[in-house]
Amino acid sequence: DQQVKQNSPSLSVQEGRISILNCDYTNSMFDYFLWYKKYPAEGPTFLISISSIKDKNEDGRFTVFLNKSAKHLSLHIVPSQPGDSAVYFCAAKDTNAGKSTFGDGTTLTVKP
Amino acid sequence: KAGVTQTPRYLIKTRGQQVTLSCSPISGHRSVSWYQQTPGQGLQFLFEYFSETQRNKGNFPGRFSGRQFSNSRSEMNVSTLELGDSALYLCASGRGGELNEQFFGPGTRLTVL
Repeated sequence: DQQVKQNSPSLSVQEGRISILNCDYTNSMFDYFLWYKKYPAEGPTFLISISSIKDKNEDGRFTVFLNKSAKHLSLHIVPSQPGDSAVYFCAAKDTNAGKSTFGDGTTLTVKP
Repeated sequence: KAGVTQTPRYLIKTRGQQVTLSCSPISGHRSVSWYQQTPGQGLQFLFEYFSETQRNKGNFPGRFSGRQFSNSRSEMNVSTLELGDSALYLCASGRGGELNEQFFGPGTRLTVL
């Protein structure tokens, strides 16, 4: 039973446009969510997070939206740049249990 | 500040052998987590250690084990290797708080022949 799902394995957008990466979860105990970015041959790096008490968190070009009723979160990148091309992982955490559960990742390609 | 380091970076083993992977966390971090990444499977959580104690464990067989030393360095051991154990093994360190992000190492690429 996969508790965190990223249903789009890949996404391709034009430079300067918006990239929207989606993530769905099933466990209502998850109360903290994170996005990580991974380049080839490197480990994932933390991008942005959001607590379940918020519905939006913004950091520069990156904004994460959380819809708790739908158990859905999304990462918006505006404007997208070729350097954003990477695999993006969504992670969800039950802060009482401690461990993070990751999705399978979405490969974003930003075309110049 | 030095990042998370993992050794070795690449490893080739044969079925039935055992392997030990090492992870050195960022200085001051007391939490170390291990993940397995295979194509199409995302990051599967193996276990987490905090202050030398296993704090969380994923759904992996007992062939997968780990430990953490007093300097927070951690090792992961896989015994009786199977072909399906071929994967990228990632180590992540953190301060250990509920809202802290994790910092990942570059991973160890294990190939089982």
